[in-house]
Amino acid sequence: GNSVTQMEGPVTLSEEAFLTINCTYTATGYPSLFWYVQYPGEGLQLLLKATKADDKGSNKGFEATYRKETTSFHLEKGSVQVSDSAVYFCALSDKSGGYNKLIFGAGTRLAVHP
Amino acid sequence: NAGVTQTPKFQVLKTGQSMTLQCAQDMNHNSMYWYRQDPGMGLRLIYYSASEGTTDKGEVPNGYNVSRLNKREFSLRLESAAPSQTSVYFCASSKATGGQGNEKLFFGSGTQLSVL
Repeated sequence: GNSVTQMEGPVTLSEEAFLTINCTYTATGYPSLFWYVQYPGEGLQLLLKATKADDKGSNKGFEATYRKETTSFHLEKGSVQVSDSAVYFCALSDKSGGYNKLIFGAGTRLAVHP
Repeated sequence: NAGVTQTPKFQVLKTGQSMTLQCAQDMNHNSMYWYRQDPGMGLRLIYYSASEGTTDKGEVPNGYNVSRLNKREFSLRLESAAPSQTSVYFCASSKATGGQGNEKLFFGSGTQLSVL
């Protein structure tokens, strides 16, 4: 079945460092891909999305490119801030089973230190 | 701007006890969802309601029941809690009527449930 695999965390970085969080997926067809972020004590919120191959989603300095050839959707940011500390979830849309649903990865915790 | 409100935030139950998790959204969304979040497993869909008056099973429905009371409210009931149901539960909503797909989900802040 469809699935999402994320790099294990935690990822610990100093402020202004470059961030990459890897995400690969297994899916039939052409799912849409998403990154959600969960700040401490809060629910998840959509960070960015891409709906077809080679699309780049971007928001708040974060970017991710839908790579069909490598089935990847890696999250990147050029210069992280302490306020970026959160758990990041990669997800894909799954249209099997007669309804659309989101399949989430296990999440990657990011800790950014001053 | 409340968004999605869940109650309670924390709950401790003994095995066999029952409880209902409440969820309400004020965004006039059609679809509502219940997820559980477990370490190393991400979020898994328990039940969803694509529109008022309908509910359907997700990936892990066993041991749970739901009620879409009206367009705003979607409750999750544990009839006889088990330790395997210890988890963080999230309610979410989206504007879509036919499922999630490309729609943006709005999440509540979660309920941390421990079953002893």
